[in-house]
Amino acid sequence: KAGVTQTPRYLIKTRGQQVTLSCSPISGHRSVSWYQQTPGQGLQFLFEYFSETQRNKGNFPGRFSGRQFSNSRSEMNVSTLELGDSALYLCASRRISGGAGEKLFFGSGTQLSVL
Amino acid sequence: AQKITQTQPGMFVQEKEAVTLDCTYDTSDQSYGLFWYKQPSSGEMIFLIYQGSYDEQNATEGRYSLNFQKARKSANLVISASQLGDSAMYFCAMRELTSSGNTPLVFGKGTRLSVIA
Repeated sequence: KAGVTQTPRYLIKTRGQQVTLSCSPISGHRSVSWYQQTPGQGLQFLFEYFSETQRNKGNFPGRFSGRQFSNSRSEMNVSTLELGDSALYLCASRRISGGAGEKLFFGSGTQLSVL
Repeated sequence: AQKITQTQPGMFVQEKEAVTLDCTYDTSDQSYGLFWYKQPSSGEMIFLIYQGSYDEQNATEGRYSLNFQKARKSANLVISASQLGDSAMYFCAMRELTSSGNTPLVFGKGTRLSVIA
């Protein structure tokens, strides 16, 4: 069974540009969550999508947005990139069967560098 | 407020020895779940072990066990018989089950474990 797939693996952009990252969840998983990981702030929750609807949102500016398609695949977009957006962006999926014990399955991440 | 606190930025352990990674959490909910993940240098987060707030026994998964002390709000990870491949970042995380559903998984800052031969 294929794991969570994130593309691209690495990305270099300049300030002011926008970027789109892609995530394909594990087959049968209906929820996709996105996290930003930096050395200073650690792992911070961006948002979660389920049934093409945003279910939870972290404390990030509106430049960060996402969407989910009918096949559960998800994209996140960052507009007007800033140097501080340089980070590892991790996508995670889960089945949505209820309960606090449902674990997240993570992809390998997209390493974004903003110059 | 910090929900998950990992006070050890870095730890060293001799191969084949046991090591404990500390984690304390903050919640006012009665129903919650605690997780530990491992992140090798490749970047992927790997699930290790889970403990539910109502579980009376400490969770175990192979060489991993979770020392759950509910009154102290601590959920320390114990790795027995350390191996060189255990060198990685380790994250403690928590999800709360509220009346409006599950909250997102919140992570601590992590502990970098280095296993020495």
